[in-house]
Amino acid sequence: DVVLTQTPVSLSVTLGDQASISCRSSQSLEYSDGYTYLEWYLQKPGQSPQLLIYEVSNRFSGVPDRFIGSGSGTDFTLKISRVEPEDLGVYYCFQATHDPFTFGSGTKLEIK
Amino acid sequence: EVKLQQSGDELVRPGASVKMSCKASGYTFTDYAMHWVKQSPGQGLEWIGTIIPLIDTTSYNQKFKGKATLTADKSSNTAYMELSRLTSEDSAVYYCARGRFAYWGQGTLVTVSS
Repeated sequence: DVVLTQTPVSLSVTLGDQASISCRSSQSLEYSDGYTYLEWYLQKPGQSPQLLIYEVSNRFSGVPDRFIGSGSGTDFTLKISRVEPEDLGVYYCFQATHDPFTFGSGTKLEIK
Repeated sequence: EVKLQQSGDELVRPGASVKMSCKASGYTFTDYAMHWVKQSPGQGLEWIGTIIPLIDTTSYNQKFKGKATLTADKSSNTAYMELSRLTSEDSAVYYCARGRFAYWGQGTLVTVSS
């Protein structure tokens, strides 16, 4: 199975600052069709996960442009510029390139 | 508005089975696959499997073959997941999620306890 390693495990950020989360895959996530099925989710306290970014860098409908996904192959990053209070929660990367689909172990974002 | 309404929390005995539902609204049920995901404190988030309601095709994470059975009822726009031979390891929150995991249900908490 593809292992997604997220770092850091937790992150404490001042409001208005930038946060950066890394997701490293044990295999390349580029599919044979040329797409890379790496997604990012945020799970706010007491809620279901919500899609932020799909196919590495595409923001889902309604997601602010403060959220920026990047990367290729095995190394991916989610940057959150100008962190706001509603950004707190656990961020997960997820791959749907290889069967079985797998999630990273999560990065907990706290506000200082 | 897309909505996935999951059935209520369950307390079940070890060795028993449980069947939970995910009722879809706000879109054409047969246009999208439905996935199921397990969230447990020890194992994080795990993809269980996927059903394509249009053609009743399923695919499972090997880990959950024999544990989970996915079905869908096109007449009621509802997806189901049955978990069998429950143990304490099956205690978790289970989510349904549509299509590209863009929409999620609110989750069903399953507690396995005698």
